[in-house]
Amino acid sequence: GQQLNQSPQSMFIQEGEDVSMNCTSSSIFNTWLWYKQDPGEGPVLLIALYKAGELTSNGRLTAQFGITRKDSFLNISASIPSDVGIYFCAPGGGTYKYIFGTGTRLKVLA
Amino acid sequence: DAGVIQSPRHEVTEMGQEVTLRCKPISGHNSLFWYRQTMMRGLELLIYFNNNVPIDDSGMPEDRFSAKMPNASFSTLKIQPSEPRDSAVYFCASWSGGYNEQFFGPGTRLTVL
Repeated sequence: GQQLNQSPQSMFIQEGEDVSMNCTSSSIFNTWLWYKQDPGEGPVLLIALYKAGELTSNGRLTAQFGITRKDSFLNISASIPSDVGIYFCAPGGGTYKYIFGTGTRLKVLA
Repeated sequence: DAGVIQSPRHEVTEMGQEVTLRCKPISGHNSLFWYRQTMMRGLELLIYFNNNVPIDDSGMPEDRFSAKMPNASFSTLKIQPSEPRDSAVYFCASWSGGYNEQFFGPGTRLTVL
C-alpha cells in the first residue's frame, strides 16, 4: 500500500533551536497537509499546501510543497517546549484521504 | 460545534471482554474514520464510512472487530472478544470532503489486561 516516510523518526532539540523534518512518497500528490498531535490528544491540522513549490508560513512554522510533488518539508523556528508532540504529513483528499506518514516525534529540552 | 466526541476516554478491561468505543462526528461531515495508534505501527486506518455506509474496512484486523454507523451522528467500534494486543489509542475522525483536513477526536486509550 501507499507509504509516506517521514524523517527523522524522532529528535531531541534544545529550546530555541530550529527544527526541520520531511516527508517523502513514491506517488505524486496534489495536496500536502501537516498535522501535530499533542500528548494525549488527536492530530490537529497545522498547515495545508495545495501547489507544487508552494511555501506557506503559520507563525513559527514554514512548510513547503516539493517541486516534484512527491515530498514536503516542515520547519519550526525557535522551538519552545509546547512544540513537543508528533508531527504527521498526509496527502489529503482523493483516494489518499486517510493516509498518514509515519510521524516525527519531537522532544524539546528546556 | 464541540468537535468530534469520543467516549470513553480511557477503558481498562480484561482479556475476553467486549469493548465498545463510541464516536459522534462533527455535524454536517459526511465521512467518518476509525484509526488505531500504537508505537510500533503508528496511525492505522481501520475503517471509514461515507454517508453512514462502510466504504473500506480492509484495515479491520480480524473478525473480532466490527464497526457500525446507524446514523450520521453516531458510530461505534466494537471488539469482541478483546485481547491484550488490542491495547492502543483508538481515534475517530470526521471529514467534510474535498481537500479539507480531517478533524480528530481526543481518542480512547484502551488497555486490555
